[in-house]
Amino acid sequence: SQQGEEDPQALSIQEGENATMNCSYKTSINNLQWYRQNSGRGLVHLILIRSNEREKHSGRLRVTLDTSKKSSSLLITASRAADTASYFCATDRRGGKLIFGQGTELSVKP
Amino acid sequence: DTGVSQDPRHKITKRGQNVTFRCDPISEHNRLYWYRQTLGQGPEFLTYFQNEAQLEKSRLLSDRFSAERPKGSFSTLEIQRTEQGDSAMYLCASSPTLGLAGTDTQYFGPGTRLTVL
Repeated sequence: SQQGEEDPQALSIQEGENATMNCSYKTSINNLQWYRQNSGRGLVHLILIRSNEREKHSGRLRVTLDTSKKSSSLLITASRAADTASYFCATDRRGGKLIFGQGTELSVKP
Repeated sequence: DTGVSQDPRHKITKRGQNVTFRCDPISEHNRLYWYRQTLGQGPEFLTYFQNEAQLEKSRLLSDRFSAERPKGSFSTLEIQRTEQGDSAMYLCASSPTLGLAGTDTQYFGPGTRLTVL
């Protein structure tokens, strides 16, 4: 069963706007990762945040983690049409396997 | 740097047939994972290997499914007597051994899309 739940399930914005996606999970974690998936393709790793970290940046991406609320958010700033994809959060408990949420489908209109 | 590769990319089969998929991980990665993804859902964990040892299997992996990694390099996933419910994208991922800093990231292949008619 899925551990994470993303919110919203779908998001449509204009190019240049910021996109925020949220992820909630149920049990304690080792780390949380965000992945991107273009239609019908494999997953591309975006960013990993460890359970003892609160915020992390990578280029136009900003991830926050609140372990007390068991939630994380992914912010994409100055979005581009090429950011159109599905975004998944995945949690990792000790042992390595990832538990994915159902994803947020982001559409960035030019 | 070659990434994770999977073969075939697409497979169409008739119900009841057996199919086998192959995954070649990134060469220095000791861990190899299999996931299954159905339309509109996130990937679901199936099984993973540390070198040639299969360390965990999901209850999703019925006795019709078997995975091997005989020499700790490539892996195969076989589905016997396929059913229509097996239609999905089968994803393989690899990662270095856990315990080293910054090595929890899993790198995914492009997937094998299975359609069972």
